[in-house]
Formats: sequence, C-alpha cells, structure tokens
Amino acid sequence: DVKVTQSSRYLVKRTGEKVFLECVQDMDHENMFWYRQDPGLGLRLIYFSYDVKMKEKGDIPEGYSVSREKKERFSLILESASTNQTSMYLCASSPLLKREQYFGPGTRLTVT
Amino acid sequence: QKEVEQNSGPLSVPEGAIASLNCTYSDRGSQSFFWYRQYSGKSPELIMSIYSNGDKEDGRFTAQLNKASQYVSLLIRDSQPSDSATYLCAVMMNSGYSTLTFGKGTMLLVSP
Repeated sequence: DVKVTQSSRYLVKRTGEKVFLECVQDMDHENMFWYRQDPGLGLRLIYFSYDVKMKEKGDIPEGYSVSREKKERFSLILESASTNQTSMYLCASSPLLKREQYFGPGTRLTVT
Repeated sequence: QKEVEQNSGPLSVPEGAIASLNCTYSDRGSQSFFWYRQYSGKSPELIMSIYSNGDKEDGRFTAQLNKASQYVSLLIRDSQPSDSATYLCAVMMNSGYSTLTFGKGTMLLVSP
C-alpha cells in the first residue's frame, strides 16, 4: 500500500511565523504535490516536484516555497504566515509513469 | 482557464438506489480521469481511474467516459449510507506534467 505521511494533523501558528509542513512517501514515487483545500474553492495546486531538487509552480504559489532534497520528502514552507493561509494542506505523490495521485492525511493549519 | 465542473449537490439517494455523479471538463486533449472520495475531515481517496471511452466497472462502482462530449461520470450501485461523502472528479489535462485539475466535488447523501 502507498503510504504518504504528513508531519502534523493540526497546527496553529501566529501571523509572521515561518512554517514548515513536511511530507514523506515510502513508495519511491518521483512526483510529489502540495495542495490546499478551502470550502467553495476546492483543491488547488500550490507546487509540485517531479524529481529531487526540481520544483514547478502550481496555480497558487504566491506566499509559499518548497524544498525537495530527498526523493521521499517534500516540504512546503510559508515564509511569513498570514491569516489567509489558514487552510487544509494536502500532500500527494504519484509514480513517474502512472497518473494516479495518492494523498496524505492532511494538515489543518490555523494562522492567528 | 482549464476547468473541471461538478454539481455541488447535495445529491440525496435512498439506500439501495443508484447514485449518478457527473463531471465535465474543458480541455479536449485530456487523457486521464479519476474519481476520488473524500469523507468529511479526511483526505481524498482514489476510487476509480479511466483512460479510454466507455465504461469501467469495479465492484459497485462504474466510471463512464465520453471524450467527444467531454464528460465523465461515476455510478454507484446499491448505495450504502457509508457512501455518503464528497466525490471529486480529477482530470489530467494536456499540460505535459502529471498534474491533476480537480472539480469542487459533489456531496452525496445516502439515507437509510
């Protein structure tokens, strides 16, 4: 079974803090993705990576950065958290030659 | 803007009935189509994938694809209360990357 884990289920941070969200997959997948999910807006892609040290912007990259130093780990960084970044953050992975994405459990981030 | 459209619902069906969930997409070059189920407070779970025109059956689930009409559907036979969830349609559009565009989801309510 594919397993994607995320470092925290719930996180509360203050405005202006630097926030790290970690995602680890154990299936040697090449592709990894970060989404946020908000009521009425659905799932929106923030960043993705198709290889170590490679990254591509998704639909809403502003205010975020990412890091992929190892194949199994993909980190999302909020350089200076703001209240409009309060959301559910979902990490996903997929193998190179298959298109199905598998999601982690999500991190519900609240910025106060 | 490449889009995936779903009726937000809720779609209410009695236990034992067939639930029909629909999705349309804008990119005629799309090749891969997925249905995810998401329970409240949980992350999306892949339930079906379909790549070619026609029907694909897996247990109580049938995915139907009509590329000419840019339409994909999910039928759930013998609906159970445990099927009550939001169903997300996802499309891999012709972008060159393995990214998915998600619809906003249809909420399904199955009453006992």
